[in-house]
Amino acid sequence: GESVGLHLPTLSVQEGDNSIINCAYSNSASDYFIWYKQESGKGPQFIIDIRSNMDKRQGQRVTVLLNKTVKHLSLQIAATQPGDSAVYFCAETFNQAGTALIFGKGTTLSVSS
Amino acid sequence: DVKVTQSSRYLVKRTGEKVFLECVQDMDHENMFWYRQDPGLGLRLIYFSYDVKMKEKGDIPEGYSVSREKKERFSLILESASTNQTSMYLCASSTQTGRGSAFFGQGTRLTVV
Repeated sequence: GESVGLHLPTLSVQEGDNSIINCAYSNSASDYFIWYKQESGKGPQFIIDIRSNMDKRQGQRVTVLLNKTVKHLSLQIAATQPGDSAVYFCAETFNQAGTALIFGKGTTLSVSS
Repeated sequence: DVKVTQSSRYLVKRTGEKVFLECVQDMDHENMFWYRQDPGLGLRLIYFSYDVKMKEKGDIPEGYSVSREKKERFSLILESASTNQTSMYLCASSTQTGRGSAFFGQGTRLTVV
């Protein structure tokens, strides 16, 4: 079946750097995308979402970029902090009642001081 | 504060046992999901339900069944537990169209011995 994937399983950055986490999706019918953060021992938590009629959305220190032409999604974290260390997942779905979220494999972000 | 609550954080069961994992949400969400999380494989969808008594198979339903008798409760059943079902199980809920974040429980770490 179609799936959402991430380019890199791990990413290591220094505190204060900007982080970019990438995700490729293959279902052209998907029209809603979400980034989740999962800290050790916890369930995933919502970070930011974006609909397919947008190509950029900004939150607090985070930005999601969507490139529908190449089916690519990215999460940018500005001024990365040690508390940002976690596993990050992208997820996709499409606008139909009863549709599940499909997740990628995740990228582990490690932030060193 | 919205919540998805899974009945157990840790479970140890014997091979062949029937295992029940319970999940309750207090957000009146139509959709509820069960995912399994394994290292390097991300979150894989087992089953989901978009209404009471309705269920749909996800990507890996074999060896599992589900029950949704009430809107707020979604149970995952391992008919005869096997060691390859040792994993982290995550329950989630979302609105009917999936818009907005899906909220996750804290997870149940199941070990089958």
